[in-house]
Amino acid sequence: GENVEQHPSTLSVQEGDSAVIKCTYSDSASNYFPWYKQELGKGPQLIIDIRSNVGEKKDQRIAVTLNKTAKHFSLHITETQPEDSAVYFCAAVSGAGSYQLTFGKGTKLSVIP
Amino acid sequence: NAGVTQTPKFRVLKTGQSMTLLCAQDMNHEYMYWYRQDPGMGLRLIHYSVGEGTTAKGEVPDGYNVSRLKKQNFLLGLESAAPSQTSVYFCASSWAETQYFGPGTRLLVL
Repeated sequence: GENVEQHPSTLSVQEGDSAVIKCTYSDSASNYFPWYKQELGKGPQLIIDIRSNVGEKKDQRIAVTLNKTAKHFSLHITETQPEDSAVYFCAAVSGAGSYQLTFGKGTKLSVIP
Repeated sequence: NAGVTQTPKFRVLKTGQSMTLLCAQDMNHEYMYWYRQDPGMGLRLIHYSVGEGTTAKGEVPDGYNVSRLKKQNFLLGLESAAPSQTSVYFCASSWAETQYFGPGTRLLVL
């Protein structure tokens, strides 16, 4: 089955700096890659996603890049703010027809004011 | 439009007790999922459903059962709770690839 590796497990940045989280996946058939943000005590919330026919997608301060050949994708957050502090999860779709997501183990991002 | 809701929010069980976690969605989604979240382990799929009346096993199904009698509800059952089932449980639903998550149920098994 699919295996998703996520790095780093923790990341601290100064407010205003950029943050980058990287993920690799194993199944070359995977074609959908979402990123979720989870604040303390809450459920994961989708923040951005990318499909395999696109190399990059941007939404204001957040961007995701995908390299299908290398089987890795990354989340980029620019001009970080304290409210960006949370745990971020990457995921990949596995299992045609059921839309099962395989998640990375998460990155705890801390933005220092 | 409440999205995905979960009941209860928190529960304490003794080893061997049973309970049912309820997930409800009002988005008319076909697909529903149950995950557990443990520290350092991310989210792991327990069971899922591709439509009313269907269920299938995920990555970590042992010790759990599910039912999808109505399209909007997905129930997760623990017949005989064990301390290893102490976790936070999340339900999600989707039309296709994009899954929407509920707020979670925190379960402590003593």
